[in-house]
Amino acid sequence: EPEVTQTPSHQVTQMGQEVILRCVPISNHLYFYWYRQILGQKVEFLVSFYNNEISEKSEIFDDQFSVERPDGSNFTLKIRSTKLEDSAMYFCASSAAEETQYFGPGTRLLVL
Amino acid sequence: QKEVEQNSGPLSVPEGAIASLNCTYSDRVSQSFFWYRQYSGKSPELIMSIYSNGDKEDGRFTAQLNKASQYVSLLIRDSQPSDSATYLCAVRGYSSASKIIFGSGTRLSIRP
Repeated sequence: EPEVTQTPSHQVTQMGQEVILRCVPISNHLYFYWYRQILGQKVEFLVSFYNNEISEKSEIFDDQFSVERPDGSNFTLKIRSTKLEDSAMYFCASSAAEETQYFGPGTRLLVL
Repeated sequence: QKEVEQNSGPLSVPEGAIASLNCTYSDRVSQSFFWYRQYSGKSPELIMSIYSNGDKEDGRFTAQLNKASQYVSLLIRDSQPSDSATYLCAVRGYSSASKIIFGSGTRLSIRP
């Protein structure tokens, strides 16, 4: 069964460093998303992406964040200058034209 | 602010019994409703989606939607220890590319 994959599974970085989280969505899906979950808290929407542009973003997704689909398979989330409060689990999701979003296994980001 | 509310639990149910999980949402124009299961440290896994009023059954799971009351529920019949997890209610707005808003989840514990 097709699934969303994410790399790396864990990332430790120093405050102020840039990180890039990578995702390979399900191959025939057209809509891509990033969510995050701070430990013990809700899953929160960050951004949705369709037709090579951002379709919606949350207030969390400020100028420090960017997304890109550099080729036909990868979807990336870049955090330019990480802060301590960026420590969270980051989930990529994808969906076809239908409603359902399928989540990847996540990347656990720890900012020291 | 659009909200999805759930009782955080924990909800403890004996093995073999019916577990009943409830959720309310604030945005009346919400169109799509989802139940995800999340094991500790893992990503959300879709269990059920429901789009119209009434019941939808899939195996041991039944989702119920009442748009007039802005209420969604999930019943798990013949509960198994492997059903022990956090159950996330999630709601999507009117646009097919729009974000999913998650509730904080209900922790379910099935006792043998």
